[in-house]
Amino acid sequence: EAQVTQNPRYLITVTGKKLTVTCSQNMNHEYMSWYRQDPGLGLRQIYYSMNVEVTDKGDVPEGYKVSRKEKRNFPLILESPSPNQTSLYFCASSFGLGGEQYFGPGTRLTVT
Amino acid sequence: GQQLNQSPQSMFIQEGEDVSMNCTSSSIFNTWLWYKQDPGEGPVLLIALYKAGELTSNGRLTAQFGITRKDSFLNISASIPSDVGIYFCAGFTGNQFYFGTGTSLTVIP
Repeated sequence: EAQVTQNPRYLITVTGKKLTVTCSQNMNHEYMSWYRQDPGLGLRQIYYSMNVEVTDKGDVPEGYKVSRKEKRNFPLILESPSPNQTSLYFCASSFGLGGEQYFGPGTRLTVT
Repeated sequence: GQQLNQSPQSMFIQEGEDVSMNCTSSSIFNTWLWYKQDPGEGPVLLIALYKAGELTSNGRLTAQFGITRKDSFLNISASIPSDVGIYFCAGFTGNQFYFGTGTSLTVIP
């Protein structure tokens, strides 16, 4: 089944403790992206990647890192999480830039 | 970042009624996508639009890419209870997607 998977689905952590949220797609998509969703603000792009080893900042990249070492995987790294990074995070992928994006199930992160 | 104004913010309708929602922007977009999101789930793609003026249907859903390329609308005909959820528009500028804040739809049986 064609899908985007994310892990973990739920995570509660403390300020400053490094964490990684994994994202994987099995559709051979070139374009992958991370979003955060907050009430009243909609989905905002954190980082995106147009191919292996090619990443760029979205609208809200501060406090996040990404890497794209393989086409299928696009992990999101929070080196030192803070409470303002408490949010619902989504990974998405598409064949190309501007193509139909398919979303993962989401990761709900709480930073205390 | 880009602003996508989506309206209405919420709708309460009777089962069987038609629904219309839209997204507008001051910027031009190359692509419009419409998504539905259920609680606790990721957005699911409903319709993709790639050309100004394009009108596309997916079952009871119809969406149009505005001629000015600054807006798009989504219609749902003969609503049913499973249409409940939050509907988002997304516009692509050529670099990245921007999303509307969503329309929350409640269907009363």
